[in-house]
Amino acid sequence: AQSVTQPDIHITVSEGASLELRCNYSYGATPYLFWYVQSPGQGLQLLLKYFSGDTLVQGIKGFEAEFKRSQSSFNLRKPSVHWSDAAEYFCAVGAHSDYKLSFGAGTTVTVRA
Amino acid sequence: NAGVMQNPRHLVRRRGQEARLRCSPMKGHSHVYWYRQLPEEGLKFMVYLQKENIIDESGMPKERFSAEFPKEGPSILRIQQVVRGDSAAYFCASSEDGHSGNTIYFGEGSWLTVV
Repeated sequence: AQSVTQPDIHITVSEGASLELRCNYSYGATPYLFWYVQSPGQGLQLLLKYFSGDTLVQGIKGFEAEFKRSQSSFNLRKPSVHWSDAAEYFCAVGAHSDYKLSFGAGTTVTVRA
Repeated sequence: NAGVMQNPRHLVRRRGQEARLRCSPMKGHSHVYWYRQLPEEGLKFMVYLQKENIIDESGMPKERFSAEFPKEGPSILRIQQVVRGDSAAYFCASSEDGHSGNTIYFGEGSWLTVV
């Protein structure tokens, strides 16, 4: 079964600074990988996804993520954060043969002025 | 094209009461999934349904929880005799088919509070 680890529970970053959120997965084959964002009291919005091909994936809101098979990682990055990026971010993994997603515990991002 | 619609958004129940959460999938989607998010945790898969069929309920607690997706109408997640530990956010998602390569879209969630 697949699993996801998000090592950072909480990250604080200054507005305008860069952001990187870590995600490590465990799965025996090439996974499907996703990043979702959840604002307080809101549902999950898909930021980006990786299925195959180019390992650098561009998403919405200026986010990108890079799939590194050798490190079993799918880290999310943004060059310059905005105050509106304060939210909780979830990494998720799916298997090619399965419909279920396994989610990490999430990383809460706080943006300070 | 409306997204996944869930209601109610917030529900308060006393211990021992029943909670019913509804989910209307996106137009054209016939596959529905329910996930639960406990405080400070990520989402956990509960159940996968197609119209009139439960495909996988491996994540559902054995007692008090049930789900359905009738031929007509929304999918319903029912929790009987709620306890404090059932307090969580319940998210519904839908997809065009059950292949994991297709993106699943989440609703805005139903927050259940048991007092």
